[in-house]
Amino acid sequence: AQKITQTQPGMFVQEKEAVTLDCTYDTSDPSYGLFWYKQPSSGEMIFLIYQGSYDQQNATEGRYSLNFQKARKSANLVISASQLGDSAMYFCAMREEYSGAGSYQLTFGKGTKLSVIP
Amino acid sequence: KAGVTQTPRYLIKTRGQQVTLSCSPISGHRSVSWYQQTPGQGLQFLFEYFSETQRNKGNFPGRFSGRQFSNSRSEMNVSTLELGDSALYLCASSLAIDSTDTQYFGPGTRLTVL
Repeated sequence: AQKITQTQPGMFVQEKEAVTLDCTYDTSDPSYGLFWYKQPSSGEMIFLIYQGSYDQQNATEGRYSLNFQKARKSANLVISASQLGDSAMYFCAMREEYSGAGSYQLTFGKGTKLSVIP
Repeated sequence: KAGVTQTPRYLIKTRGQQVTLSCSPISGHRSVSWYQQTPGQGLQFLFEYFSETQRNKGNFPGRFSGRQFSNSRSEMNVSTLELGDSALYLCASSLAIDSTDTQYFGPGTRLTVL
């Protein structure tokens, strides 16, 4: 089974509108971290936002917020007031302990390509 | 504070050659991880190093190897290159190793194997 599932290969949003990018995850580890990264066409992976499995409140970072529903194992990214510069690939990722070995592997979804329309 | 740097940014090699990629983490970060990104397989974990020790390795053949130095800088080596090794190789650093620690990525090295 896939650890991270992003069901939207591509999304379009009008400039200044809000958009939600979906992410579901699968883990039996009680302690894990969920991350969203943005990858522009240049290739660099830019960290956006983090949510810990024990965090009670949804994370927010400027125009980015994470809609964390633990029981449903979903961690959707909400981008408010979209800008042209938001056009990029967006990856959801999970960091959990690997086989109790004291090593924590980051597993990525396949990504969602967001296009912001003027 | 300087970000993660990777050298070289672009590389063209031929089949059978070997290549070494370098990564300098953010100052103070002791953990370095490497990932391979291809259009077909997406982002795949290669290795994780912490304090010069390899803590974890992904499902890659032995042709892929790496190491970390005492200053936390890391190198990865791919021997006997194959066409399928063409990819963007991303390095990431973090302060420590736990599920809450954010990994910060470098700009990547784009390797083309001809």
